[in-house]
Amino acid sequence: EAGVAQSPRYKIIEKRQSVAFWCNPISGHATLYWYQQILGQGPKLLIQFQNNGVVDDSQLPKDRFSAERLKGVDSTLKIQPAKLEDSAVYLCASSLGLAGLGSYNEQFFGPGTRLTVL
Amino acid sequence: RKEVEQDPGPFNVPEGATVAFNCTYSNSASQSFFWYRQDCRKEPKLLMSVYSSGNEDGRFTAQLNRASQYISLLIRDSKLSDSATYLCVATGGTYKYIFGTGTRLKVLA
Repeated sequence: EAGVAQSPRYKIIEKRQSVAFWCNPISGHATLYWYQQILGQGPKLLIQFQNNGVVDDSQLPKDRFSAERLKGVDSTLKIQPAKLEDSAVYLCASSLGLAGLGSYNEQFFGPGTRLTVL
Repeated sequence: RKEVEQDPGPFNVPEGATVAFNCTYSNSASQSFFWYRQDCRKEPKLLMSVYSSGNEDGRFTAQLNRASQYISLLIRDSKLSDSATYLCVATGGTYKYIFGTGTRLKVLA
């Protein structure tokens, strides 16, 4: 079974530039997550989709970050303009369904995109 | 206060040792709990889910204490290959997974 695909794997940009990341979840997975992981910290949820609808984007800095999952399959995350503090690994994950009561939906992570903002 | 808290370590233990990690969560409504393993510069991978009655998978044992709002992971007979960061995860609010900062383990030869 193919895993979660992400591209690019690495990106170096200067501050104030724009960048976009792409994610293709495991086939059939309805839920898609974007996380930001800063060095030495755990992943922080930025946005969560259920099919093509947003379930949670409370921690997404909406003045500079945007994400979409138009057809309920693959997704893009964009940063415009980037700041130095955006340097992190951006992880995409997917699961069959939502983490609801009594649910143990396992999240599968992609390899991540390592972003460096200079 | 962070929603999920872990001791960042590092825990340096000799091969064959038993090591335990604790994790506390602040949301009493959390229903599901997990331990993930993350190797250096890799993505997190599910190690095990944590069930109310506790559960074991080979050398790994997970426990949940709802009254004190903590979960634990016990690793017996540590192997060099167990060296990694262990991330504690709780569901927070509705449909959301909250990760701790992770505990680094280094198993020494």
